[in-house]
Amino acid sequence: ETVLTQSPATLSLSPGARATLSCRASQSVSTYLAWYQQKPGQAPRLLIYDASNRATGIPARFSGSGSGTDFTLTISSLEPEDFAVYYCQQRSNWPRTFGQGTKVEIK
Amino acid sequence: EVQLLDSGGDLVQPGGSLRLSCAASGFTFTGFALSWVRQAPGKGLEWVSSISVSGGSTYYADSAKGRFTISRDNSKNTVYMQMNNLGAEDTAIYYCAAGSASTSYAFNIWGQGATVTVSS
Repeated sequence: ETVLTQSPATLSLSPGARATLSCRASQSVSTYLAWYQQKPGQAPRLLIYDASNRATGIPARFSGSGSGTDFTLTISSLEPEDFAVYYCQQRSNWPRTFGQGTKVEIK
Repeated sequence: EVQLLDSGGDLVQPGGSLRLSCAASGFTFTGFALSWVRQAPGKGLEWVSSISVSGGSTYYADSAKGRFTISRDNSKNTVYMQMNNLGAEDTAIYYCAAGSASTSYAFNIWGQGATVTVSS
């Protein structure tokens, strides 16, 4: 099983700040990594697929990078609606796995 | 409107069974692989099971193997998950999720979730 480890667990930032979230895989997943955003009481929403491709309708302030075992989600300038929990997920092999999540909270 | 509508969540006793359904609308169901992802109270996301576009291939997390069965009816645009021998550890919100080749089968469409509570 591919274990995904996200860091930090919590990121405390102010609106307008840059957010950098990390996801590390226990083995290579090539670029088969996605990022999701989840707000309280809502289903997750796809942000990024294949490490760096934004899903339809996702603002350009969200960007993804990485390959192999190390991946990054960057939010260039936090908007109020961006404070949420973010998960990475790999589709390189079975079972599909998610990271434990990074909570981005208002400082 | 593109939509997945989850249903079938309920309170069930330990050892009991439940069938979840997820009805799709607004998109070409036969072009999407379908999955179930669950979230225990206050916890993160856990992939449970997936079924291929044709329905010919199914995949399960170890926690679901032997107890859960995923299936799809392309004539009804619906995916199901039969869950047997439920335990307290299965208490969670169960989300149906869909992905197609256009997003490299990442979960692009999500249902609103069905709540399963296993308790006596």
